[in-house]
Amino acid sequence: EVQLVESGGTLVKPGGSLRLSCAASGFTFSSYTMYWVRQAPGKGLEWVSSISSATHYVFYADSVKGRFTITRDNAKNSLYLQMNSLRAEDTAMYYCARGDSLEQLALFHNWGQGTLVTVSS
Amino acid sequence: EIAMTQSPATLSVSPGERATLSCRASQSVGSNLAWYQQKPGQGPRLLIHGASTRATGIPARFSGSGSGTEFTLTISSLQSEDFAVYYCQQYNNWPPVTFGQGTKVEIK
Repeated sequence: EVQLVESGGTLVKPGGSLRLSCAASGFTFSSYTMYWVRQAPGKGLEWVSSISSATHYVFYADSVKGRFTITRDNAKNSLYLQMNSLRAEDTAMYYCARGDSLEQLALFHNWGQGTLVTVSS
Repeated sequence: EIAMTQSPATLSVSPGERATLSCRASQSVGSNLAWYQQKPGQGPRLLIHGASTRATGIPARFSGSGSGTEFTLTISSLQSEDFAVYYCQQYNNWPPVTFGQGTKVEIK
């Protein structure tokens, strides 16, 4: 069974930094593109970032480019999101998601339960 | 960037009735369209990909149709567990990946 467990969300002040983690199990982590998707309170889904299986392809939403960095450790079956210069508008539930076996398809087959990031003074 | 627009925002349906949800893309996405279901306090779940292919374990009462810019998700006979928010998502031209704003299916 595929499991994705996010952690690291907390309350942080504007301008602060945070590192989110996603522990993956139940599949060959090193073979899949992985994604971060967020959801502001009461709002819809927003794609944040993606990283291909061998880290050759990394993409970011314009709203986070230059502030967030996605990485992965295939030996540890883990995905990360380093978030710097945080703003109030980054407040959201952050979900880790597994992509398709065809890496060019940005399909989110499995999702975690999310970790909540709150940016407030 | 391809914009996705869903309608209606809220759909009130009685259990056992059919629900029809719409999704429109600002430009053609071919058949590269997915639907997700999200229940309160949970991460989304993939229902449909390729516009009409049910994901693993999804009941046959869920069906998707359409291509190009117009898509439909139909739930043939609503069960209590189907009341949720539904999102469409295009993956034809990314980045960025884009989602619709969601349709909430509520009990009438």
